[in-house]
Amino acid sequence: KAGVTQTPRYLIKTRGQQVTLSCSPISGHRSVSWYQQTPGQGLQFLFEYFSETQRNKGNFPGRFSGRQFSNSRSEMNVSTLELGDSALYLCATSDYRNTGELFFGEGSRLTVL
Amino acid sequence: DQQVKQNSPSLSVQEGRISILNCDYTNSMFDYFLWYKKYPAEGPTFLISISSIKDKNEDGRFTVFLNKSAKHLSLHIVPSQPGDSAVYFCAASGTGGTSYGKLTFGQGTILTVHP
Repeated sequence: KAGVTQTPRYLIKTRGQQVTLSCSPISGHRSVSWYQQTPGQGLQFLFEYFSETQRNKGNFPGRFSGRQFSNSRSEMNVSTLELGDSALYLCATSDYRNTGELFFGEGSRLTVL
Repeated sequence: DQQVKQNSPSLSVQEGRISILNCDYTNSMFDYFLWYKKYPAEGPTFLISISSIKDKNEDGRFTVFLNKSAKHLSLHIVPSQPGDSAVYFCAASGTGGTSYGKLTFGQGTILTVHP
């Protein structure tokens, strides 16, 4: 079974630009969550999508948004990038049968200059 | 407000000995707890979990203990192996089946197991 695939793995942007990250879940997984990992804040929950609907949202500004497609693939977008948005963005998927067990991708490393 | 805390940033143990990683939480609504392991340049990998209706769950070398009254959980690794060297994250979720994709993580503990 293929794992969670995140693209791109690395990217560099400048302040003010916007970025879109993609996540392809494990086949059959309908829940997709996004997390931001930074050295100072650790792993912070961004949002969760299930069946194309946002179920939960973390405490991030509106510049952070996401969506999920009918095939469960998900994208997240960050607009008007700030230096503090430099982080590892992790996608995690679940089939909801293994309660609470999330399968993480390797992440997208974003650097904002 | 950090609802899940791992107060030890690092832990160093000898191969073959027990590793004990600790985690405290403040939110009484949490009812499911998990431990994840993370190697550099990889995403976290699920290790073991425990529901709030239990006080112990065991899986091979890994055992998680939950003390609800103290809002404390711990992960025991016996015996520790050098391949266990990684960052260990404690995580919690709550409010039943609608929020399992939303985990609150601790800051992580770097475990180093020396041969």
